[in-house]
Amino acid sequence: KNEVEQSPQNLTAQEGEFITINCSYSVGISALHWLQQHPGGGIVSLFMLSSGKKKHGRLIATINIQEKHSSLHITASHPRDSAVYICAVSGFVSNTGNQFYFGTGTSLTVIP
Amino acid sequence: EAGVAQSPRYKIIEKRQSVAFWCNPISGHATLYWYQQILGQGPKLLIQFQNNGVVDDSQLPKDRFSAERLKGVDSTLKIQPAKLEDSAVYLCASSSEPYEQYFGPGTRLTVT
Repeated sequence: KNEVEQSPQNLTAQEGEFITINCSYSVGISALHWLQQHPGGGIVSLFMLSSGKKKHGRLIATINIQEKHSSLHITASHPRDSAVYICAVSGFVSNTGNQFYFGTGTSLTVIP
Repeated sequence: EAGVAQSPRYKIIEKRQSVAFWCNPISGHATLYWYQQILGQGPKLLIQFQNNGVVDDSQLPKDRFSAERLKGVDSTLKIQPAKLEDSAVYLCASSSEPYEQYFGPGTRLTVT
């Protein structure tokens, strides 16, 4: 069983739609990260959060620590939002320091 | 601030050949990570360095993979000999603070 589960795995939306990607985790964490990966590209960090909600432009990330769940929302989606969105959690492991666990990603395609 | 640099960006080799990847982390970042990301999966940690010492290499296939970080700055990851299943994106990341990572653009390896 993966420590981090994302849903859906694939998502196709029409331009302008409101999009939600979900992430559930099973380990104790210090922070949760939402990452964006464009085809053939590296990974860009969108958010790092440990509680509550963060907003950056059309992107909103929320986390519920008690339920071990986070959501990434994209408002007024645009074709340039097409990418893989990866949820990752970080937690302290005593013998190796910081440990990251990654979800398998959600592939988003926004159609004009 | 310059980001994490990786080279080459793409590499195609035949099985049983050798290949090496290079990573230059963000200046001052003590921690460096190498990840393997197979298509459709999240990144998998191969090795983590703290300065020039290895913190975690438990998932590094040591019969064919090796990595070093001489002088605690640049790092190289080598595969010798390569297998078909090594086809993946190899990501380098660095950090100076717990729970944060900055990713490079990745090297896409294709083994034929």
